[in-house]
Amino acid sequence: AQSVAQPEDQVNVAEGNPLTVKCTYSVSGNPYLFWYVQYPNRGLQFLLKYITGDNLVKGSYGFEAEFNKSQTSFHLKKPSALVSDSALYFCAVRDPPGGNTPLVFGKGTRLSVIA
Amino acid sequence: GAVVSQHPSRVICKSGTSVKIECRSLDFQATTMFWYRQFPKQSLMLMATSNEGSKATYEQGVEKDKFLINHASLTLSTLTVTSAHPEDSSFYICSARPSGVLYNEQFFGPGTRLTVL
Repeated sequence: AQSVAQPEDQVNVAEGNPLTVKCTYSVSGNPYLFWYVQYPNRGLQFLLKYITGDNLVKGSYGFEAEFNKSQTSFHLKKPSALVSDSALYFCAVRDPPGGNTPLVFGKGTRLSVIA
Repeated sequence: GAVVSQHPSRVICKSGTSVKIECRSLDFQATTMFWYRQFPKQSLMLMATSNEGSKATYEQGVEKDKFLINHASLTLSTLTVTSAHPEDSSFYICSARPSGVLYNEQFFGPGTRLTVL
């Protein structure tokens, strides 16, 4: 069965500094990987996904993520953090990619960007 | 595009009553919808997978008689919490996957906060 690990419950970063939110995965085949963001009392918003192709994926709001097969990681990054980026971030995986398999989520990482 | 709505956004009910939550895909058809439950400061836990025109598939530990799911059309799925109890209080989020092989991500509704008194 697939699983996703987000090792950090909380990440604090100063505004303007680069940020990284970590994610590692475990799947039996080739994964489909996703990042979502959740603001308080709101549903999830899609940020980006890796299906195939370039390992560096660019998404919404200036975020990007790098798929690293050897390290089974898909860390979320942004070159310069904004206070408005403060939210709860979820990494998710879908395996196998076909059919009606649902996304499986990590536990989430709370990002706090300090002005 | 790819908007999912949920209604109501917030509901407070008395213990023992039933509550229905609607999930609609507004601008696409969704053969498959998913229902998740989220406890405070925790991740989303998949409750069930809802397929249009067939019975839902429930995850282990989820009572199908308590959480009734109906997916009567390609744009609507409902979750009914029957005989609700305080421990059912939670944030319920639905998700829809557009029909067609090109789509892989799921689109999420804004969530419904259920409080059972």
